[in-house]
Amino acid sequence: GENVEQHPSTLSVQEGDSAVIKCTYSDSASNYFPWYKQELGKGPQLIIDIRSNVGEKKDQRIAVTLNKTAKHFSLHITETQPEDSAVYFCAASATSGTYKYIFGTGTRLKVLA
Amino acid sequence: DGGITQSPKYLFRKEGQNVTLSCEQNLNHDAMYWYRQDPGQGLRLIYYSQIVNDFQKGDIAEGYSVSREKKESFPLTVTSAQKNPTAFYLCASSPQQDTQYFGPGTRLTVL
Repeated sequence: GENVEQHPSTLSVQEGDSAVIKCTYSDSASNYFPWYKQELGKGPQLIIDIRSNVGEKKDQRIAVTLNKTAKHFSLHITETQPEDSAVYFCAASATSGTYKYIFGTGTRLKVLA
Repeated sequence: DGGITQSPKYLFRKEGQNVTLSCEQNLNHDAMYWYRQDPGQGLRLIYYSQIVNDFQKGDIAEGYSVSREKKESFPLTVTSAQKNPTAFYLCASSPQQDTQYFGPGTRLTVL
């Protein structure tokens, strides 16, 4: 069935270093890939997204890359700050024609001051 | 102030009791969703609705029910048939087949 694998499950970095989170999807029909940041006790917030006709997208310190051939996409955070500490989820749109997302299992990022 | 609201923030349920979680959006989005999140885990889809008066089961619909009588509202009822309802419940909405935006969540605890 449709599946999104996300790695690593936890990630600790020193403040100012970069963090990379990777996701692999199984449905070749997926064409939309959002990333969400979830702080403790709150709902996920969209931080960046990418569509299948684009290979890379950047927004200040955050970037996402997509490799359709390999069916994987990655989140890159540069110059990490303590407020970047949260759980990050990737998602892939399910088969075209539905409204469903398939979510990864999340990565807990800790930025050490 | 636009967005998605969920109420209550915390909810306690006794054994055998049905409870209803509220989700309202004023973003004029067509689609709405309910997810369940267990500690340290990802999001699992309970139900979704693409349009008023229509909804579909997600991956874990057993023990839950929904209605979509108005575009802006998508309440979720957790019935007594749901044997392990303690979880964090998240509502989301989206324009047609586009980005989903989440509400702040309701934490349900069974006493």
